[in-house]
Amino acid sequence: GIQVEQSPPDLILQEGANSTLRCNFSDSVNNLQWFHQNPWGQLINLFYIPSGTKQNGRLSATTVATERYSLLYISSSQTTDSGVYFCAGGSQGNLIFGKGTKLSVKP
Amino acid sequence: DVKVTQSSRYLVKRTGEKVFLECVQDMDHENMFWYRQDPGLGLRLIYFSYDVKMKEKGDIPEGYSVSREKKERFSLILESASTNQTSMYLCASSFEGTQHFGDGTRLSIL
Repeated sequence: GIQVEQSPPDLILQEGANSTLRCNFSDSVNNLQWFHQNPWGQLINLFYIPSGTKQNGRLSATTVATERYSLLYISSSQTTDSGVYFCAGGSQGNLIFGKGTKLSVKP
Repeated sequence: DVKVTQSSRYLVKRTGEKVFLECVQDMDHENMFWYRQDPGLGLRLIYFSYDVKMKEKGDIPEGYSVSREKKERFSLILESASTNQTSMYLCASSFEGTQHFGDGTRLSIL
């Protein structure tokens, strides 16, 4: 099956800093999504992005499907950005999740 | 906004009990999913359903079954709960690929 690798596993930032999270896939996917799990365990869908670039406020994501990777950019980070960021990919609705990047933003 | 509601936030059951976890979505989505999340293992798919009365096994279906009698409701059943099923359980529904999750049920089997 598809393998999903995320890097880095942990990231500590000072408030206001920018960061890039990466997701690599072992095989082609036609469904790729980024999620944020907040400290209370709620999983929020950030982007559905099987290819191309999307932006939503301070967050943006780029997927290069031909090279099987996706990037999540966080600009001007805030303490509320803390939590775990997951990417997930697969075919149709059957998603394989990566292990996540744990982000801590310090005030 | 999509609303996916899981019946319990926390649940404690005993070994051998039959346990029902309920999930309801309000957006008429055809696809629904059950995952479990464990430290170090991430989210793993247990079962999913593409339509009423249809179900497909995910990566870890052993010890679980599901029921989808109505489009909006997807139930996860632990036939005979065991301690290794202590976990966080997350339900999701999707339309055109984008998955939306409930708040999760933290289940403890004693």
